[in-house]
Amino acid sequence: AQSVAQPEDQVNVAEGNPLTVKCTYSVSGNPYLFWYVQYPNRGLQFLLKYITGDNLVKGSYGFEAEFNKSQTSFHLKKPSALVSDSALYFCAVRDPGSATNKLIFGTGTLLAVQP
Amino acid sequence: DTGVSQNPRHKITKRGQNVTFRCDPISEHNRLYWYRQTLGQGPEFLTYFQNEAQLEKSRLLSDRFSAERPKGSFSTLEIQRTEQGDSAMYLCASSSNYRDTQYFGPGTRLTVL
Repeated sequence: AQSVAQPEDQVNVAEGNPLTVKCTYSVSGNPYLFWYVQYPNRGLQFLLKYITGDNLVKGSYGFEAEFNKSQTSFHLKKPSALVSDSALYFCAVRDPGSATNKLIFGTGTLLAVQP
Repeated sequence: DTGVSQNPRHKITKRGQNVTFRCDPISEHNRLYWYRQTLGQGPEFLTYFQNEAQLEKSRLLSDRFSAERPKGSFSTLEIQRTEQGDSAMYLCASSSNYRDTQYFGPGTRLTVL
């Protein structure tokens, strides 16, 4: 079965330090991978995606993610965290067995950036 | 893009009542998705429309749930005889045919008392 794992419920980082939010996936075939961010009582905002090509993907608000096929990972990174980055982050994979492009989400990682 | 909109943003109802939610996708997006998100979990797929055709339904979508997209534009999700377990955030997303990114609305938070 297709799945996404976010092994950390919460990540704490000091403002100005680099941050990493981890994601691993299990799919058959080539994965389409996504990162979304959710602020309290809000919907999900798209950050970035990997479809094919360069393994390093750059997205919104200075975030980037690195696709690693051998480790089946797609970790989200940012060189310098801001307090305003504090939010809930979701990794998702498009179900390659589905013709509808439905997404399978991880359980989310709460990022807390301390000033 | 004006974004995906959902109404109402919040709904409180008593067990056994029927509720209906509305989603207006980004204009000209012909693909529309409904997801449900419970506390501490990621969104889970409920159903998918391409234009007005409902092409996939999750096993999560019991027979108390029905969704429509009558003219291929807005969509409604109705829950009949609500149960406390239906309390969740209901998210709508849309995408266009040639792009894979799904854009989400702000969600409707349902509380069943």
